[in-house]
Amino acid sequence: DQQVKQNSPSLSVQEGRISILNCDYTNSMFDYFLWYKKYPAEGPTFLISISSIKDKNEDGRFTVFLNKSAKHLSLHIVPSQPGDSAVYFCAASDGNQFYFGTGTSLTVIP
Amino acid sequence: DTGVSQNPRHKITKRGQNVTFRCDPISEHNRLYWYRQTLGQGPEFLTYFQNEAQLEKSRLLSDRFSAERPKGSFSTLEIQRTEQGDSAMYLCASSQALISGNTIYFGEGSWLTVV
Repeated sequence: DQQVKQNSPSLSVQEGRISILNCDYTNSMFDYFLWYKKYPAEGPTFLISISSIKDKNEDGRFTVFLNKSAKHLSLHIVPSQPGDSAVYFCAASDGNQFYFGTGTSLTVIP
Repeated sequence: DTGVSQNPRHKITKRGQNVTFRCDPISEHNRLYWYRQTLGQGPEFLTYFQNEAQLEKSRLLSDRFSAERPKGSFSTLEIQRTEQGDSAMYLCASSQALISGNTIYFGEGSWLTVV
């Protein structure tokens, strides 16, 4: 069973606009959430994380929002740049394992 | 470079052969994870170690797969009698175990193609 879901396999955004990537989870024991970026033939690169005690964390152009009651998190990228084009994975942790979604392929159009 | 290092990066093997992948984690990290990723999927958990102890293995992990982490440093993942379904990217990651906020950092991955 998929405990972390990314229901949008792909997203296209114009350069300079906002990219919003969504992620849902089912396990209320998850207490730490992360976003990774992946280019083809490379390993995932850590982007940003958020603890379950917070509802927002910001790092430059990247902001992660957490809605625990809805079991939903999102990654906002503002402004989007062509170099942001990649596959983005959300992940959730229960303190031991990390569970990943299936990814959203983001294309930023120049 | 002090990141997670994996080798070989690419391996092509015939069905039925054994293969071994090596992972060198970030030096101060005491946890080491192995994941597998296929096209269109997210990383799938295989197993993880804290120091030299293997704490958890996925129930999906076949008996043909074995991982070790002698002395709590580098780790090896061996696949015996490879099958075509084993073709995937094998990812290693490491972290410093914390009470909370445990972030894992991945290596570049090892591609396996079974022909």
